[in-house]
Amino acid sequence: DIQMTQSPSSVSASVGDRVTISCRASQDISRWLAWYQQKPGKGPKLLIYTTSSLQSGVPSRFSGNGSGTDFTLTISSLQPEDFATYYCQQADTFPPAFGQGTRLDIK
Amino acid sequence: QLQLQESGPGLVKPSETLSLTCTVSGGSISSNSYYWGWIRQPPGKGLEWIGSMYHSGSTYHNPSLKSRVTISVDTSKNQFSLKLSSVTAADTAVYYCARQSVHSRWFDPWGQGTLVTVSS
Repeated sequence: DIQMTQSPSSVSASVGDRVTISCRASQDISRWLAWYQQKPGKGPKLLIYTTSSLQSGVPSRFSGNGSGTDFTLTISSLQPEDFATYYCQQADTFPPAFGQGTRLDIK
Repeated sequence: QLQLQESGPGLVKPSETLSLTCTVSGGSISSNSYYWGWIRQPPGKGLEWIGSMYHSGSTYHNPSLKSRVTISVDTSKNQFSLKLSSVTAADTAVYYCARQSVHSRWFDPWGQGTLVTVSS
């Protein structure tokens, strides 16, 4: 099975900052990677699929990059509503696997 | 707008079977473009995929859960269900249902989740 590792596990930032979260797959997954945002008490929300495609309704300050085993999610200018936990998910093969999450806190 | 809603008991005794249902509204569960999946999240922890199924009845489940998982669909009610047998405290989690793209295999949208506690 493919394992997903995110870094950092938590990060503190301020409104307006640029933040990048990394995700590494244990084997080549081409561009089959998705990113989700989860707020307390809610189900995850799809942000980006196939590495860099923005889901409908997601602000353009979110962007994704990468291929193979190394991927990034970047938020160009943090807004108050962006403070949440972010997960990556490999979508190359079954079983789909998620990273352990990156918690983004207000500094 | 497609919505999913989980329902089922919030408390299950050890060794018994956990049963949950996901009701889909605003769209058909018989779409050829989607699987329908279950994902869980133990308190304070990350996400674990349990299994997914196609409206035809084809199912895929996480090998880590071995043969404890059964996923079924009722197209007449636009619902799909999860059964997890022989539960232990380790199965305590928030259980989510979600639509999964056949082509790109992302999950969206998700239900709000339901907490299931395994305790005597």
